[in-house]
Amino acid sequence: DAGVTQSPTHLIKTRGQHVTLRCSPISGHKSVSWYQQVLGQGPQFIFQYYEKEERGRGNFPDRFSARQFPNYSSELNVNALLLGDSALYLCASSPSLNTEAFFGQGTRLTVV
Amino acid sequence: AQSVAQPEDQVNVAEGNPLTVKCTYSVSGNPYLFWYVQYPNRGLQFLLKYITGDNLVKGSYGFEAEFNKSQTSFHLKKPSALVSDSALYFCAVRDLPQGDYKLSFGAGTTVTVRA
Repeated sequence: DAGVTQSPTHLIKTRGQHVTLRCSPISGHKSVSWYQQVLGQGPQFIFQYYEKEERGRGNFPDRFSARQFPNYSSELNVNALLLGDSALYLCASSPSLNTEAFFGQGTRLTVV
Repeated sequence: AQSVAQPEDQVNVAEGNPLTVKCTYSVSGNPYLFWYVQYPNRGLQFLLKYITGDNLVKGSYGFEAEFNKSQTSFHLKKPSALVSDSALYFCAVRDLPQGDYKLSFGAGTTVTVRA
């Protein structure tokens, strides 16, 4: 069975640009969450979606947005990129809201 | 607010010796606790969870964790460590009464198992 897949795996962007990260959950999983992991730190919660509705939002600026599609895949969008947005962005899926989350390999975003 | 503390940045053990990675938590209600492992340039891999029931939880790859409510701890253990256990370990907590399902992670503990 395929796990959580994220694309792209690596990305280099310039300050001020916009980026879209994509995530496909494990088949049958209806919940998708996004986390940001800065080097040397634990993952920080950005968003959670369940059945296409936002169910949680972390302490991130409005430049960060996300959505979940009818097939339960998800996109994370970040506008007006800053150097500090450089991080590993992790997507996780779970069958429902309150079960363990299974993570993808992440997208390494570098902002220059 | 929910939070997790991993008091040790690094743990070094010899292969074959017991391994313990410490975690303490703070929540307003009943905690849901998780351990994840991360290998270099990879995502997080689920090891085990505590929801309710037995305080000793068994997980993948021979790992187990002991939930201690009085000490608000959830330490990860492995009786006999392998070199391949060398990785970054994260403890995480979910506090449902807060109304959302986010996971709050500790800063991580780097485990090095020497041959």
